[in-house]
Amino acid sequence: AQKVTQAQTEISVVEKEDVTLDCVYETRDTTYYLFWYKQPPSGELVFLIRRNSFDEQNEISGRYSWNFQKSTSSFNFTITASQVVDSAVYFCALSGGSGTYKYIFGTGTRLKVLA
Amino acid sequence: EAGVAQSPRYKIIEKRQSVAFWCNPISGHATLYWYQQILGQGPKLLIQFQNNGVVDDSQLPKDRFSAERLKGVDSTLKIQPAKLEDSAVYLCASSGVAVQGSPLHFGNGTRLTVT
Repeated sequence: AQKVTQAQTEISVVEKEDVTLDCVYETRDTTYYLFWYKQPPSGELVFLIRRNSFDEQNEISGRYSWNFQKSTSSFNFTITASQVVDSAVYFCALSGGSGTYKYIFGTGTRLKVLA
Repeated sequence: EAGVAQSPRYKIIEKRQSVAFWCNPISGHATLYWYQQILGQGPKLLIQFQNNGVVDDSQLPKDRFSAERLKGVDSTLKIQPAKLEDSAVYLCASSGVAVQGSPLHFGNGTRLTVT
């Protein structure tokens, strides 16, 4: 069975602090994809990044960085120098299994960045 | 390109009434998903279409929920009769190709309140 766990329900930080959102996944598939989505108060989920199971290179995009470690089944997301606009709910998701391309989402982490 | 369109944005009904939601995916997107997102939880897949065929409806409560995607373009999700526990945001998403790992593009969702 596939599962995504985001143990942090809510995190509050002060603007300019760094923050890391944790994601742990379970799958028996050898080929799978991991994602992060952002859900601002408007409600629309916005795609941030995708990694496949064969590429463990970390990625940096501006203030965002992602750390993928197969050994610990984790795909963590770090925001450097957080801003108020980063306040949102962040979801980690897993897509795997041949044929159906089903997405499994975690329960999300609500990030509050205080000015 | 225009995003995924959903309507209505909000709906309030009494239990045992029926309701329908509409989704128009991004033009050319073959795969369409309906998700249910209960407050404080991650999106849960209800049904996935590939063109006008159903790929996965294993988590759709078929005694009360139905969905169709005629002509492989827009889609309608119906609940009849509604229960209090159906109160949630119903999200529609689409992806361009039926390739594992394709990011999902989400609409703004329909917030349903059942009283």
